[in-house]
Amino acid sequence: EPEVTQTPSHQVTQMGQEVILRCVPISNHLYFYWYRQILGQKVEFLVSFYNNEISEKSEIFDDQFSVERPDGSNFTLKIRSTKLEDSAMYFCASSLDGGAGNTIYFGEGSWLTVV
Amino acid sequence: SQQGEEDPQALSIQEGENATMNCSYKTSINNLQWYRQNSGRGLVHLILIRSNEREKHSGRLRVTLDTSKKSSSLLITASRAADTASYFCATVLTGANNLFFGTGTRLTVIP
Repeated sequence: EPEVTQTPSHQVTQMGQEVILRCVPISNHLYFYWYRQILGQKVEFLVSFYNNEISEKSEIFDDQFSVERPDGSNFTLKIRSTKLEDSAMYFCASSLDGGAGNTIYFGEGSWLTVV
Repeated sequence: SQQGEEDPQALSIQEGENATMNCSYKTSINNLQWYRQNSGRGLVHLILIRSNEREKHSGRLRVTLDTSKKSSSLLITASRAADTASYFCATVLTGANNLFFGTGTRLTVIP
């Protein structure tokens, strides 16, 4: 069964460093998302991406964050200057369309630890 | 806040019993989706119910949706120890495409 894949599974980074998290969405999907989950807390929406541009973003997705689809398969999340509070599990997700039957499929996540 | 709120926050049952988890939300939705998460792992999609549907089944799962009460329930029948996980409801708001997650119910099934 097709799945969303994410790399790395775990990354430890120094505060202030840039981090890029990578995702390969399901191949025929058109909508892409990033979510995060701070340990013990709920899953929070960061950003959605469609037709090579951001379609929606939350308050969390500030200027430190950016997304890119550099080629036909990868979807990346960049955090420019990491902070301690960026430590979380980051989930990539994709969906075929945006209609009422729009099932959103998630990857296994990338644990980011900022020290 | 548009997020759903699950009830109860934690549920512990014996294997073989049924587990019912409830979800409430605040605004008009396009659909509602239930996910499962094992500790520290990814989110596994369980079932989607559209706003014009009232009930859906998938194996041992039964989901209901009451848009007048802005609530949904997930029933797992004949629970197994392997069902132990956190279960989240998530809504797609009318006119949007992204999910807003609830706080989750931690289900423990005791063998």
